[in-house]
Amino acid sequence: TQLLEQSPQFLSIQEGENLTVYCNSSSVFSSLQWYRQEPGEGPVLLVTVVTGGEVKKLKRLTFQFGDARKDSSLHITAAQPGDTGLYLCAGNNAGNNRKLIWGLGTSLAVNP
Amino acid sequence: KAGVTQTPRYLIKTRGQQVTLSCSPISGHRSVSWYQQTPGQGLQFLFEYFSETQRNKGNFPGRFSGRQFSNSRSEMNVSTLELGDSALYLCASSLGTHTDTQYFGPGTRLTVL
Repeated sequence: TQLLEQSPQFLSIQEGENLTVYCNSSSVFSSLQWYRQEPGEGPVLLVTVVTGGEVKKLKRLTFQFGDARKDSSLHITAAQPGDTGLYLCAGNNAGNNRKLIWGLGTSLAVNP
Repeated sequence: KAGVTQTPRYLIKTRGQQVTLSCSPISGHRSVSWYQQTPGQGLQFLFEYFSETQRNKGNFPGRFSGRQFSNSRSEMNVSTLELGDSALYLCASSLGTHTDTQYFGPGTRLTVL
């Protein structure tokens, strides 16, 4: 069974702090997506990483795909209360039975 | 462009009843996927429909079924509800397959008493 493990599960920080969340697997993915879900809403795509070693930046968010395409990280600089939410990663296994494999998410609370 | 809409937003049912949830995808999107989200299990894939055909299926019992209409709107049905079916049910549409970017609706919060 393919699994995507996200860590930490919960994170509570003060506004202005930096943080990194991780998404790890023993499986190789052809691509990996990061979503953010706010309370009462569905997840919204932040970024898709495709190439091993790829780094993508979205304002204060930096996403990295591992060289072996088995893991990914999300780094947030100077977190703001608006960054609060559940961060989910989803890997595309791209096998014969193509499916998105979802992590359980990291619940982030940024306190003012 | 209007986003994915789901109705109803909240639903309370009792054990043994059945329920039908509705999803309208983004205009032009032909793939509609359904997910169950719970705190302990996270997002779990139920099934995907494309052009009125079920194209992919997760590991859920036969009590969970779905269908898609010619206008790409989709419905999901759960029969003989169990307490463990209480969850947020999310619908997502995409242009191609369910491994492409998923555009999610706000979900239907189902509570089974």
